[in-house]
Amino acid sequence: SAVISQKPSRDICQRGTSLTIQCQVDSQVTMMFWYRQQPGQSLTLIATANQGSEATYESGFVIDKFPISRPNLTFSTLTVSNMSPEDSSIYLCSVATGQGYEQYFGPGTRLTVT
Amino acid sequence: QKEVEQNSGPLSVPEGAIASLNCTYSDRGSQSFFWYRQYSGKSPELIMFIYSNGDKEDGRFTAQLNKASQYVSLLIRDSQPSDSATYLCAAQKFGNEKLTFGTGTRLTIIP
Repeated sequence: SAVISQKPSRDICQRGTSLTIQCQVDSQVTMMFWYRQQPGQSLTLIATANQGSEATYESGFVIDKFPISRPNLTFSTLTVSNMSPEDSSIYLCSVATGQGYEQYFGPGTRLTVT
Repeated sequence: QKEVEQNSGPLSVPEGAIASLNCTYSDRGSQSFFWYRQYSGKSPELIMFIYSNGDKEDGRFTAQLNKASQYVSLLIRDSQPSDSATYLCAAQKFGNEKLTFGTGTRLTIIP
């Protein structure tokens, strides 16, 4: 498994502003993932982040809205840009590791946009 | 049709009984399947994964996979109140580390 931390754990932001969420892993991993979990719903993959290459975004998510950086094998950031109340959600990072490429999740960032 | 489907519940099971959680998937390219437990306000926690037909046991948990029927299940024996949570099923395709999640089943263990 892996130990993953995220910052901030929660934030309340105003409409139109941006927030950058950090994800730190205690070991080097190739694949990192960013998810969104809206209240009462399941996880939706936003993008996959590989070190040294641009992130791959899922349908419905674009780089201008959710820019991602992956500067090394233990760290990634997700920015939620030009926020609206619809962006209020929990944002989770995960890493794929182990023989089954099983994913382990960070504690999440609870974002509220007012 | 959703790629991964689960009954949303809630599923109520008496303490000490077997809880049975089910999941179906539509993409036959899915190879590996993962069960996560998520307590309210917490992030998902991996319970176990399975990629071969049949049963896989880990403590009180047994995962079952039937690729012909495109069906995955998780059995929890001797259910405890601490097992009350939402259980998420996820599918992974061969050669692709991405996971596709079901909507989750909310399980309540009744003391």
